[in-house]
Amino acid sequence: GQSLEQPSEVTAVEGAIVQINCTYQTSGFYGLSWYQQHDGGAPTFLSYNALDGLEETGRFSSFLSRSDSYGYLLLQELQMKDSASYFCASPYNQGGKLIFGQGTELSVKP
Amino acid sequence: DAGVIQSPRHEVTEMGQEVTLRCKPISGHNSLFWYRQTMMRGLELLIYFNNNVPIDDSGMPEDRFSAKMPNASFSTLKIQPSEPRDSAVYFCASSPRGQISYEQYFGPGTRLTVT
Repeated sequence: GQSLEQPSEVTAVEGAIVQINCTYQTSGFYGLSWYQQHDGGAPTFLSYNALDGLEETGRFSSFLSRSDSYGYLLLQELQMKDSASYFCASPYNQGGKLIFGQGTELSVKP
Repeated sequence: DAGVIQSPRHEVTEMGQEVTLRCKPISGHNSLFWYRQTMMRGLELLIYFNNNVPIDDSGMPEDRFSAKMPNASFSTLKIQPSEPRDSAVYFCASSPRGQISYEQYFGPGTRLTVT
């Protein structure tokens, strides 16, 4: 089977840095994606890590360690608009099925 | 590009009625996915298509659910008969990568309420 675990909630203050962790158990591994979903909206793609290391996209970075079956999303210079749910997801196989974690609700406080 | 288009955006129906949800993927994308999202179960993949062909429908809850993709620009998800437990937000997504679809583009969703 395949499962991804992430914390249900994280709270941080505006301007701070926050890290959202994701651990996974997979029978095969084809990388780790991150999605953002605002309340009432649709998930939107943020990043993808196929290999170990850090991928940076503006204020957001994503990290993967395949040996530890672990990844994280790092959000810097937090803004109020970053308050949303963040999902890690992993392709189940090469065919396209994407398995999502349960999501982490990030609340950014002033 | 207009993005993934879904209709209707909201649907309220009575138990036992047929419900049809529609999706137009992004032009040129060859993979299409139907998801259901609830507070209890999170985001679940129901079925996905590659090049209009259903590849994996193991997430379809039961025979009341069916999905079709008659061409590259249109897909439907049908529930017949609908039940209150089907109430959820249904998302359609498409992907430009036919093999490993780690980057998916989601439509705005259809919020279904079955009373």
